[in-house]
Amino acid sequence: KNEVEQSPQNLTAQEGEFITINCSYSVGISALHWLQQHPGGGIVSLFMLSSGKKKHGRLIATINIQEKHSSLHITASHPRDSAVYICAVLRINTDKLIFGTGTRLQVFP
Amino acid sequence: DSGVTQTPKHLITATGQRVTLRCSPRSGDLSVYWYQQSLDQGLQFLIQYYNGEERAKGNILERFSAQQFPDLHSELNLSSLELGDSALYFCASSVGAGEYGYTFGSGTRLTVV
Repeated sequence: KNEVEQSPQNLTAQEGEFITINCSYSVGISALHWLQQHPGGGIVSLFMLSSGKKKHGRLIATINIQEKHSSLHITASHPRDSAVYICAVLRINTDKLIFGTGTRLQVFP
Repeated sequence: DSGVTQTPKHLITATGQRVTLRCSPRSGDLSVYWYQQSLDQGLQFLIQYYNGEERAKGNILERFSAQQFPDLHSELNLSSLELGDSALYFCASSVGAGEYGYTFGSGTRLTVV
């Protein structure tokens, strides 16, 4: 079993829809990251969380440390949100990021 | 531009060859991380350097090696290349140990033929 699991693996949506991507992990962590990877390949860091909730524009990330679960929400989705979203956790007392397999999101106009 | 520079962007080479990938971290960042992203394995941590010294090691093959130079740029050397080494190789940098987040480069796409 992977230490970081994401669901769904693939997601399609119509423009304007509310989107949720989930991440569960099984190890102790000091932080959780949400990353975005566009078809060109580059990776952008969206959020780093150790507790609670963060918001940036139309993106919201939450984490529940007790349940070892995080969600990434996109409100009013847009075709430019189409990308792979990757959850990664920083294992506690290490400098090692462990990555989920990613969620491929396609938003159609 | 994220501030992390990786060169080259693309590399095509034959099996058995050796290549060097280069990464310049964002200004002020002391840590450099190398990751491999292949189709079947996803993103995997390879190795981390902090201020010139190896700090953490992940799933890095013995055929691979890395170093960080006094000017903080890093090089990842891949030797005796195999078809399975074809992947995207990302570099990321952080101020310290990632407690303030990471900045990723745009990656080097390596194709071994």
